[in-house]
Amino acid sequence: KAGVTQTPRYLIKTRGQQVTLSCSPISGHRSVSWYQQTPGQGLQFLFEYFSETQRNKGNFPGRFSGRQFSNSRSEMNVSTLELGDSALYLCASSLYTSGANVLTFGAGSRLTVL
Amino acid sequence: AQTVTQSQPEMSVQEAETVTLSCTYDTSESNYYLFWYKQPPSRQMILVIRQEAYKQQNATENRFSVNFQKAAKSFSLKISDSQLGDTAMYFCASRGGTSYGKLTFGQGTILTVHP
Repeated sequence: KAGVTQTPRYLIKTRGQQVTLSCSPISGHRSVSWYQQTPGQGLQFLFEYFSETQRNKGNFPGRFSGRQFSNSRSEMNVSTLELGDSALYLCASSLYTSGANVLTFGAGSRLTVL
Repeated sequence: AQTVTQSQPEMSVQEAETVTLSCTYDTSESNYYLFWYKQPPSRQMILVIRQEAYKQQNATENRFSVNFQKAAKSFSLKISDSQLGDTAMYFCASRGGTSYGKLTFGQGTILTVHP
C-alpha cells in the first residue's frame, strides 16, 4: 500500500514568487492536513481538507491557501514568497472516520526561499 | 485551544537502556487524544503511540509505553531496551475530539541512542 506522496521533494524559489506543493494521500484516505515545520516555530498546522472542503485552518496569512480535489489529492499554494516561508512542508492523510483518527505523514517538501 | 510542552530539547541513552521523554499539555476540551510521533533523520514522521484521554489504562506498543497522568496533564513516553534505530526527534502532540486532522505539537526532543 503506497504511503503519502509529496511532490516536489525539494525546491528553491526567490522572494515574490509563488509555489504549489502537491500531496497524494493513501488510497482510501479522504482527509488531508498540511503542516509547516521550521527550526524556530516547530510544527504548525496550516489547514485540513475533507471531501474537498476546508475543515480547519491554522493561523497563517492569506498568502497560504490550499484545495482538495475529488480524488482526495491536495495542493497548497504560497504566493508572494518571503524568506520566512523557507520550511519543510508536511502533508498527512487520514480516514477521518472517528475520534481515533490517526494521521500518516509524507516525507515532506523542502522549500528554500532566496 | 491546546498547548503542548516538551521541556527536554535533547536526551541521550545507551543502547539497551530505558529512557523517558516528558510532555505536558493543556486543553479546554473534555474529549481529546494524545500522540507521540517519531521523526528520524530521513524526516518521515511516524506514529509511535496514541492515547485516548477517556481511557485510564496507559497505552503500550512493544518497547514503547506511556505514563498518562490526566489530572497533572502529563503524557510521558518510556522507551525500553533502546535501539540505535530509536535515534530521532520525538514529538508529543494533542488534538481535540473532533479536530481530526489538527494536531498541536510540542517543540520536540532529540533522542540519541549511543552504542
